Amino acid sequence: AQSVTQPDIHITVSEGASLELRCNYSYGATPYLFWYVQSPGQGLQLLLKYFSGDTLVQGIKGFEAEFKRSQSSFNLRKPSVHWSDAAEYFCAVTSNFGNEKLTFGTGTRLTIIP
Amino acid sequence: SAVISQKPSRDICQRGTSLTIQCQVDSQVTMMFWYRQQPGQSLTLIATANQGSEATYESGFVIDKFPISRPNLTFSTLTVSNMSPEDSSIYLCSVDPGESPYNEQFFGPGTRLTVL
Repeated sequence: AQSVTQPDIHITVSEGASLELRCNYSYGATPYLFWYVQSPGQGLQLLLKYFSGDTLVQGIKGFEAEFKRSQSSFNLRKPSVHWSDAAEYFCAVTSNFGNEKLTFGTGTRLTIIP
Repeated sequence: SAVISQKPSRDICQRGTSLTIQCQVDSQVTMMFWYRQQPGQSLTLIATANQGSEATYESGFVIDKFPISRPNLTFSTLTVSNMSPEDSSIYLCSVDPGESPYNEQFFGPGTRLTVL
């Protein structure tokens, strides 16, 4: 069965500093990978996705993620965080099989300090 | 993409009662999903609701507790029946517009349910 691990439950970063959120997946088939963000009291917003091709993908709000097959990772990065980036971040995986479910990681809560 | 709305946005309910949550999409979609997010937890899929067929429930979720309707391609409801405090969660609906073959889902804003 597919699974997603986000090893960091909570990360605190200073405003303006760089950010990297880790995501590791376990899946036998070709994975389709997503990062979602959930601001307090809000639903989930899709930040970016990887299906194939260039392993460095760009998303909204200045985020990017790099797919590394050899490490089974899809880490999310941002060069300079803003206070508005404080939120919960979820990594998710599905596959190229039809009707395959979306499996979520446990999430990483990001706190921004001045 | 798709724009999804949910009603109510939040509610506080008494133990033993039921609540029906509505999910409306701005375009016709075949596949809709209902998720539960318990406090401080990740999302857990409750069921897949495709128009024209019975909802498919995940392990640990049953139709008597979480009946789902899908009357057309833009609307679905999830009912949380005979509620207990353990049902306090955020309930989210999502859709796969089918615009890509990659099982990409878009989420509604969620319904925050508190059961006393």
